[in-house]
Amino acid sequence: KAGVTQTPRYLIKTRGQQVTLSCSPISGHRSVSWYQQTPGQGLQFLFEYFSETQRNKGNFPGRFSGRQFSNSRSEMNVSTLELGDSALYLCASSLGPGEMGTEAFFGQGTRLTVV
Amino acid sequence: KNEVEQSPQNLTAQEGEFITINCSYSVGISALHWLQQHPGGGIVSLFMLSSGKKKHGRLIATINIQEKHSSLHITASHPRDSAVYICAADNNNDMRFGAGTRLTVKP
Repeated sequence: KAGVTQTPRYLIKTRGQQVTLSCSPISGHRSVSWYQQTPGQGLQFLFEYFSETQRNKGNFPGRFSGRQFSNSRSEMNVSTLELGDSALYLCASSLGPGEMGTEAFFGQGTRLTVV
Repeated sequence: KNEVEQSPQNLTAQEGEFITINCSYSVGISALHWLQQHPGGGIVSLFMLSSGKKKHGRLIATINIQEKHSSLHITASHPRDSAVYICAADNNNDMRFGAGTRLTVKP
């Protein structure tokens, strides 16, 4: 069973540009969550999508957005990149939300460097 | 005060030692996750707990819901256990993370 796949693995962008990252969940998983990890802030929750709908959103500016397609693949977009957006972006997939939680499986991440 | 506090921040052990990492949280949870992150960034989910205790090989995780506290134990530690261990409080997929514990196991 293939794991969570994130593309690209590494990316270098210039300030002011925009970027789109992709996450393909484990087959059968319908929930995809995105996280940002920086040395200063650690891991922070960006947003979660389930069945093409955003269920939860973390405390990030509107420059960070995402979407989910009918096949559960998800993309996140960051517009007008800032130096502080340099980070490891991780996605995790799970079967879906539930009262007791469901196990999340993480991708390898996309390391974004903004210069 | 952070919603999820881990201790210690850094831990160095000799191979074979018993390791304990602690996690306290102040938010409501549907589950508590323990994650392992190796250099390079990949994260592996070790445990998802909602009550009691789970064991997988040399790893044991416990949770006390009343006290809002969880521990991760590693028995007979090995250099390959060297990694950052992160606990995450999960409220229906809205996760809040601890800062992580950097574990180094020396041969």
